[in-house]
Amino acid sequence: SQTIHQWPATLVQPVGSPLSLECTVEGTSNPNLYWYRQAAGRGLQLLFYSVGIGQISSEVPQNLSASRPQDRQFILSSKKLLLSDSGFYLCAWSVAGGWNTSPLHFGNGTRLTVT
Amino acid sequence: TQLLEQSPQFLSIQEGENLTVYCNSSSVFSSLQWYRQEPGEGPVLLVTVVTGGEVKKLKRLTFQFGDARKDSSLHITAAQPGDTGLYLCARSHSGSARQLTFGSGTQLTVLP
Repeated sequence: SQTIHQWPATLVQPVGSPLSLECTVEGTSNPNLYWYRQAAGRGLQLLFYSVGIGQISSEVPQNLSASRPQDRQFILSSKKLLLSDSGFYLCAWSVAGGWNTSPLHFGNGTRLTVT
Repeated sequence: TQLLEQSPQFLSIQEGENLTVYCNSSSVFSSLQWYRQEPGEGPVLLVTVVTGGEVKKLKRLTFQFGDARKDSSLHITAAQPGDTGLYLCARSHSGSARQLTFGSGTQLTVLP
């Protein structure tokens, strides 16, 4: 069966510090990978998605970046965090090619607080 | 930006009551998914609806896709505390790897 791992679960970082959140998927090959951010109790904002190694599409201009160094690894980074980067970050995967009806499978998220 | 509006934003009811939450857009969906999210966890898929007028049932949950495929509803019968959570609808983008745009969610609390 497929599993998705996301870490850390919680993170407190000072303004101006770097960020690295990691997500890995097991049990599937060549998945589509996604990073979402969620404000408290609200909907999800798509930040980045990837259809393959080294292929990253950005949805929202910001000081965050994403990388996919391996097929099932997706990393969210920042060189200098802002207060506005605080939030709940969710990684997700879906089956490649099944655009319209393939569900997203989410990790358990990382709660980031920038102080 | 094609927005999804969910209503109500918050809903607090007593155990045993029925409820309906809504998801609306000004544009046609190719398909729509409903997710439930519990605190501190990622959303989990409940159902996917594809055909206009489609009705799907999942135990006490009934999902309906509007005939014009611009709206959807989720009806819960005899709500239980275990139904508490954030209910999110998400529309797909035909042929796009972006795949899903999410609504702002309905936060449901079922009181025992």
